Amino acid sequence: RKEVEQDPGPFNVPEGATVAFNCTYSNSASQSFFWYRQDCRKEPKLLMSVYSSGNEDGRFTAQLNRASQYISLLIRDSKLSDSATYLCVVTHSGAGSYQLTFGKGTKLSVIP
Amino acid sequence: EPEVTQTPSHQVTQMGQEVILRCVPISNHLYFYWYRQILGQKVEFLVSFYNNEISEKSEIFDDQFSVERPDGSNFTLKIRSTKLEDSAMYFCASSEVLGPTMGDTQYFGPGTRLTVL
Repeated sequence: RKEVEQDPGPFNVPEGATVAFNCTYSNSASQSFFWYRQDCRKEPKLLMSVYSSGNEDGRFTAQLNRASQYISLLIRDSKLSDSATYLCVVTHSGAGSYQLTFGKGTKLSVIP
Repeated sequence: EPEVTQTPSHQVTQMGQEVILRCVPISNHLYFYWYRQILGQKVEFLVSFYNNEISEKSEIFDDQFSVERPDGSNFTLKIRSTKLEDSAMYFCASSEVLGPTMGDTQYFGPGTRLTVL
């Protein structure tokens, strides 16, 4: 069974704090890894892809450990606008398909 | 910036009725998907579609569901006889290519909230 597990939330942090989210996935054949962001009652939006070498985009850093089947997201200097649910997403290729498997998400509230 | 659009934004229907949810994927995209999200739960894959046929479907996508690309721009999800448990947000997504490779990002539409009474 393909599962993606995330930290239970919610995370309530003050502005300027650093916050880390963790995620594990069960399907060792998973090929691509992403963090999506979802605002309340809105669609998921791609935040960043996650590469084996780790990658950084401004205040956001993502890491992947394939051996441990573990993905992380670090947000530095949190802003009020970072308040959202962060979704860990993995993929695997089927026969002519490429479906996304989502975690349940971790809710972040950044407090003034 | 090109985007996926969906109509209607909210659909209310009676149990047993048929509904059709509509999506217009990004114009140069070739791969199309439907996902759903029951309130408070995770986003779940329903079906993928390429070259006018279903590529893969989940166990949720039973005989009550069907998809179609009736013309060059629309992509529809039909639920033949709605049940109470079909109440959810339905998201359409599209991607330019099949992953994992550059251009495989799936872009989501704003969703249709389906309420079955």
